[in-house]
Amino acid sequence: DSGVTQTPKHLITATGQRVTLRCSPRSGDLSVYWYQQSLDQGLQFLIQYYNGEERAKGNILERFSAQQFPDLHSELNLSSLELGDSALYFCASSVGLAGGLSSYNEQFFGPGTRLTVL
Amino acid sequence: AQTVTQSQPEMSVQEAETVTLSCTYDTSESDYYLFWYKQPPSRQMILVIRQEAYKQQNATENRFSVNFQKAAKSFSLKISDSQLGDAAMYFCAYRSAGSQGNLIFGKGTKLSVKP
Repeated sequence: DSGVTQTPKHLITATGQRVTLRCSPRSGDLSVYWYQQSLDQGLQFLIQYYNGEERAKGNILERFSAQQFPDLHSELNLSSLELGDSALYFCASSVGLAGGLSSYNEQFFGPGTRLTVL
Repeated sequence: AQTVTQSQPEMSVQEAETVTLSCTYDTSESDYYLFWYKQPPSRQMILVIRQEAYKQQNATENRFSVNFQKAAKSFSLKISDSQLGDAAMYFCAYRSAGSQGNLIFGKGTKLSVKP
């Protein structure tokens, strides 16, 4: 158990709908990262938040957005869902921001949310 | 932009034998970090081993070791005395030492372990 929790574990929805994925980082971690794992794109970075502020963006679609709340949990919002959005969405957390390889910056992954768009 | 390539989609090893998974990467940075992650059928991402680019010494964690060739931009993972529990997807990942801390992953290698 990494200490990172994600809810829900599974989500089945229809095209055009909107969903929210939730992530609670490990206690004390300030950074949250979102990754998408799909069959065709592999594992790719979406977005990073640090202490409530957006810090880095990857291949995140405009239909997707995220935020990190004062209690440091994060939510990933996916709207106007398409079949191709079906994937496993991971959240990872670390204590620090970036740079360095101390345990301060190691990323711990949650169990993921499996999204199926029908 | 940095890229990570794993050229072996699938590998197979006999229990108790040794297997090496390949990974190459492309970057113009001189300082960075490399990782191997294991993803078993449970889908949990588990850090196996990590390597700092500025260290010449290859990292080792119990039965897992790496062969890091910085000039060749190669970072292979060797698993010794393979066990049934080693069966999983293995991902090679890169992380810049700069301000962006996100991981860049390869496509993965599916490792099967035969009893």
